[in-house]
Amino acid sequence: IAGITQAPTSQILAAGRRMTLRCTQDMRHNAMYWYRQDLGLGLRLIHYSNTAGTTGKGEVPDGYSVSRANTDDFPLTLASAVPSQTSVYFCASSEEGGNQPQHFGDGTRLSIL
Amino acid sequence: GQNIDQPTEMTATEGAIVQINCTYQTSGFNGLFWYQQHAGEAPTFLSYNVLDGLEEKGRFSSFLSRSKGYSYLLLKELQMKDSASYLCAVIESNYQLIWGAGTKLIIKP
Repeated sequence: IAGITQAPTSQILAAGRRMTLRCTQDMRHNAMYWYRQDLGLGLRLIHYSNTAGTTGKGEVPDGYSVSRANTDDFPLTLASAVPSQTSVYFCASSEEGGNQPQHFGDGTRLSIL
Repeated sequence: GQNIDQPTEMTATEGAIVQINCTYQTSGFNGLFWYQQHAGEAPTFLSYNVLDGLEEKGRFSSFLSRSKGYSYLLLKELQMKDSASYLCAVIESNYQLIWGAGTKLIIKP
């Protein structure tokens, strides 16, 4: 079934640890995105990629890094996790063109202790 | 600055009609999305408006007024499964999305 797969589904992590959230899509979408969703706030863009080999910073990029080695995969890395990074993380993808709807993965629930 | 306002929570009765409003002030405008998000799940696409007027899709309709910076989502013949959060998102001039915090819709029998 075509779609976006995120892993892990949830994770509890000690502060200071490194963590990579995985995201894979099989829809051949050029554009991919990472958001965090916190209670009472809208989805906030962390990083995005318009095509393989390129990445850009979103609204809240500090403490996060991404890579886009190929079309399908867009991992998000927390180099040294802090409690304020406790959140639900969603990966999304869309066809090229800014007005194309984004398709979301099921999210990763991350708790930093 | 950028701002998207939606009511935090609304309650409606099964079988009724509900209108969820969204007002926005953003850096440019290239369209507006509505998404549905059930608790603990991913957002799913409902509608897209870029021109003024009403877009109808089954029980759901979405309206846009660009001059007023205003949109609404209209849900008819409400069903219990419509209990969810509804997210408004605006496509800015740089084609990035700015998201509202969402409206939690509670449907009562």
